[in-house]
Amino acid sequence: DADVTQTPRNRITKTGKRIMLECSQTKGHDRMYWYRQDPGLGLQLIYYSFDVKDINKGEISDGYSVSRQAQAKFSLSLESAIPNQTALYFCATSDHMPGTGAKNEQFFGPGTRLTVL
Amino acid sequence: GESVGLHLPTLSVQEGDNSIINCAYSNSASDYFIWYKQESGKGPQFIIDIRSNMDKRQGQRVTVLLNKTVKHLSLQIAATQPGDSAVYFCAEAGDAGGTSYGKLTFGQGTILTVHP
Repeated sequence: DADVTQTPRNRITKTGKRIMLECSQTKGHDRMYWYRQDPGLGLQLIYYSFDVKDINKGEISDGYSVSRQAQAKFSLSLESAIPNQTALYFCATSDHMPGTGAKNEQFFGPGTRLTVL
Repeated sequence: GESVGLHLPTLSVQEGDNSIINCAYSNSASDYFIWYKQESGKGPQFIIDIRSNMDKRQGQRVTVLLNKTVKHLSLQIAATQPGDSAVYFCAEAGDAGGTSYGKLTFGQGTILTVHP
């Protein structure tokens, strides 16, 4: 079974609709992230959460919101979808290992392809 | 500000050749660097990482080199195989204890194509 799962895998919606993308993980990690990937570009951080009570904006948070329902669940919402939010969305998790020797490796889900018409 | 970029967006090699993918970064406080591989239709997968107190790290068929003087990172793949064809991203994390700790900043990516 996959450690990081995302639902749906594909979604087509219309401008103005509210959309929720869900992410679940079985890795037991405290930290979760949402990224957006556009063709020919790297991943851009939308929001991140270092624990259940912690939510932080990333580079491109405008037009998005998140909810950390539990350690294992982190959802991304588009309150009113617009066409330039058409992209591939990835959820990721990482462990919290305090100290200067800590690693920041993130484990990614399979992605959600969102198309806004 | 922080940025991570790649010199070459595409790289084509013959099977069996060695591949070198380059990455430049601008944040001198970066403490940790990772290379990810992304195959078509999949999420990025970890390849190898290196901390800023190291110059070189080797894995299975892969080596990462870090030159802090010129803020340059490279990924070397030995005996490249068709299965290595993918997009490769470098990513950097800010200094431990800083406000950016734990967040990754990704580069643009390099498309590696391996011809049989």
